[in-house]
Amino acid sequence: DAKTTQPTSMDCAEGRAANLPCNHSTISGNEYVYWYRQIHSQGPQYIIHGLKNNETNEMASLIITEDRKSSTLILPHATLRDTAVYYCIAENAGGTSYGKLTFGQGTILTVHP
Amino acid sequence: EADIYQTPRYLVIGTGKKITLECSQTMGHDKMYWYQQDPGMELHLIHYSYGVNSTEKGDLSSESTVSRIRTEHFPLTLESARPSHTSQYLCASSEPRGTSGNTIYFGEGSWLTVV
Repeated sequence: DAKTTQPTSMDCAEGRAANLPCNHSTISGNEYVYWYRQIHSQGPQYIIHGLKNNETNEMASLIITEDRKSSTLILPHATLRDTAVYYCIAENAGGTSYGKLTFGQGTILTVHP
Repeated sequence: EADIYQTPRYLVIGTGKKITLECSQTMGHDKMYWYQQDPGMELHLIHYSYGVNSTEKGDLSSESTVSRIRTEHFPLTLESARPSHTSQYLCASSEPRGTSGNTIYFGEGSWLTVV
């Protein structure tokens, strides 16, 4: 899996958009970009993933640059319950790493009232 | 919402005891995983399975063992618990790859404390 780099922590005001960046400059053509989050003491929760195109679901939007070397997770209207650790993962589509995720340190997002 | 369940959620046990952490999923997923996470630290994969009768060691060495006799169950066992095994253990499963990648669903975790 490609290595990803994320800021250690970020703050966001409640109701504002939270934009979480991720660098994955060594990503290969068949690696998806996944975002998960982990609220304190709970299991990680899947948010969104993409390969080349921008994606949107009920939780968030994922913007992937054209060269795929970086991406941004957008929470359009952050709430206090979005305070969590956010993980950006680039996953190999095949080989021995198939289906396994390598979690890094992630970004601690704190949403303030 | 993912249908993957772990029991017990919290367990305090004495050194030397044998414990089994249960994990079950009702989604029919072939692939299942166990991750270990110490408080404030990264998740580490310790075991995974591609299906019935398949078990593999993960990236982090663990003294625990796993079994996969049925698709829906993936229990983790520690034959003789030690304080160094104190941690949170997270079970997960994933749907078939298809053309949309491989989304992994996690249980809520089992907090193990060995005293």
